[in-house]
Amino acid sequence: DTGVSQDPRHKITKRGQNVTFRCDPISEHNRLYWYRQTLGQGPEFLTYFQNEAQLEKSRLLSDRFSAERPKGSFSTLEIQRTEQGDSAMYLCASESTRAYQETQYFGPGTRLLVL
Amino acid sequence: SQQGEEDPQALSIQEGENATMNCSYKTSINNLQWYRQNSGRGLVHLILIRSNEREKHSGRLRVTLDTSKKSSSLLITASRAADTASYFCATDAYHQAGTALIFGKGTTLSVSS
Repeated sequence: DTGVSQDPRHKITKRGQNVTFRCDPISEHNRLYWYRQTLGQGPEFLTYFQNEAQLEKSRLLSDRFSAERPKGSFSTLEIQRTEQGDSAMYLCASESTRAYQETQYFGPGTRLLVL
Repeated sequence: SQQGEEDPQALSIQEGENATMNCSYKTSINNLQWYRQNSGRGLVHLILIRSNEREKHSGRLRVTLDTSKKSSSLLITASRAADTASYFCATDAYHQAGTALIFGKGTTLSVSS
């Protein structure tokens, strides 16, 4: 257990539905990242927050995706009008901004299946 | 896009043998990290090596970094069945905004008893 939790762990939805995932980072970590991982691939960066500010978005993050971190603590990732191509593992990671503590700690992931 | 490329893609060994995985990357880095992922689970951080370091040890793990060749290797000594997992190298996006990690496709290690 890395201290990063994600909910739900699994989600099955029908194409066109909206889904929302939650990530709770390690409490003192002010950086939070979202990644997506498809079968047989490494994780790919989606977006990251420093405190409540969303500082970077990947071009993978289409306009159907939105992420928030309203109070600089937990974060949510919403996918609207899901497509079958959205099926993947969605991973959250948190990191401290203290010097020499660049390690990102990953949660267990949310596995999404879009039917 | 993927920055790192691990080699080999798959590796099968017997318990007690050593396992060596290699990673190559494309751009300048601040540091390189290795992660392990058990099937269907999240990633577990193994070790971080900075660009000014050449070798680092942690328990049965030994990591080397050659910035002139843009490559790194992970050696697991005296492997155990519990080491069966996928192993990823990840580099920081030195020339991009933020500190997102860029992962390779991973090496799948299978250790049989």
